[in-house]
Amino acid sequence: EDQVTQSPEALRLQEGESSSLNCSYTVSGLRGLFWYRQDPGKGPEFLFTLYSAGEEKEKERLKATLTKKESFLHITAPKPEDSATYLCAVQAWGRETSGSRLTFGEGTQLTVNP
Amino acid sequence: EAQVTQNPRYLITVTGKKLTVTCSQNMNHEYMSWYRQDPGLGLRQIYYSMNVEVTDKGDVPEGYKVSRKEKRNFPLILESPSPNQTSLYFCASSVGTGGKMYEQYFGPGTRLTVT
Repeated sequence: EDQVTQSPEALRLQEGESSSLNCSYTVSGLRGLFWYRQDPGKGPEFLFTLYSAGEEKEKERLKATLTKKESFLHITAPKPEDSATYLCAVQAWGRETSGSRLTFGEGTQLTVNP
Repeated sequence: EAQVTQNPRYLITVTGKKLTVTCSQNMNHEYMSWYRQDPGLGLRQIYYSMNVEVTDKGDVPEGYKVSRKEKRNFPLILESPSPNQTSLYFCASSVGTGGKMYEQYFGPGTRLTVT
């Protein structure tokens, strides 16, 4: 069974204080790893997709990296508007049908104080 | 504007009264999915569909039905709702080719309370 574990559960940062969020996964074969941002009461918003170990993607203050066992979301010099819950999800190979099931982690709730 | 819409946004109902939550996307996406989100359990996939007339179970399909008669619509049906189906529900869509999924676009959510 695919498993996704995110840590920490919650993180408080001061504005400008860089940090990283972790997503550890166990899958039979990784087809893709996704990062989403979710604001309270809203649907998740897509950030990145990573497909193979060693891959990195950047967007503004965010950078996502991928190894064979985990992914990191690095936040550089965060601002209060970066406060949100960050979700990680994996799609695995080897599903009995079309392989379109996604397994989400429980998320990291990030608060950036001014 | 590219979007996924869900209706209703809020619903309070009683045990056993059949209900349908509609989901529609205007991006001509092949792939659509339903999730429920509960505190401490995260987002869990209920059902998904790779294309018209092609649906399959996710991780928590019990008590739910879906249909995909048109590419743009993917309704979620609760034929006999129970209190344990009280949750926040999200519909999502994405391009999907050869079983590989790309970025998903999520709807705004439907908050369902079953008393």
